Amino acid sequence: EDQVTQSPEALRLQEGESSSLNCSYTVSGLRGLFWYRQDPGKGPEFLFTLYSAGEEKEKERLKATLTKKESFLHITAPKPEDSATYLCAVLGGGFKTIFGAGTRLFVKA
Amino acid sequence: DGGITQSPKYLFRKEGQNVTLSCEQNLNHDAMYWYRQDPGQGLRLIYYSQIVNDFQKGDIAEGYSVSREKKESFPLTVTSAQKNPTAFYLCASSINGPHTDTQYFGPGTRLTVL
Repeated sequence: EDQVTQSPEALRLQEGESSSLNCSYTVSGLRGLFWYRQDPGKGPEFLFTLYSAGEEKEKERLKATLTKKESFLHITAPKPEDSATYLCAVLGGGFKTIFGAGTRLFVKA
Repeated sequence: DGGITQSPKYLFRKEGQNVTLSCEQNLNHDAMYWYRQDPGQGLRLIYYSQIVNDFQKGDIAEGYSVSREKKESFPLTVTSAQKNPTAFYLCASSINGPHTDTQYFGPGTRLTVL
């Protein structure tokens, strides 16, 4: 069965303290892995799509990487405005998008 | 600006009532989706549609109904048969699909049962 697990559930950082969020997945025939940012009470905002192992994408302080079993969202020198829930989702060969429960990130000034 | 709009932002329902959540997109996307989000859980798919006048059940369709009379619109009705409707509802769309590429989300509707 296709599955997505995100860790940690919550992460507290000081401003400027770099770290990584993990998304482990089990899926038959990965067609795409997606990262979203979600602020409280709002809809998810699209960040990245990764299609194959070894692929990397960057946007400002965020960098997403992909292996055959997991994806990392690296946050470099985070700021308080980076505080949000980050969602990972995978699209497998069964043509179904599976979402993880998310990682809540708190960045303190 | 292109995007997805949902209304209302907040909705309150009395027991036994049907309520309808609106979702409109001007992105010219073919596929549209409805998800339910509960605390501590991943998004769960309620219904999706690839083309006008066609839609498919997702994982938790019981107690919900949809229509797709126009490409731009995909309203969701929460019926009285849905026993636990309090949740945050999200509408999404994708260029192709369904389930073939990136989905883009609306701002959501929070439904509360009184």
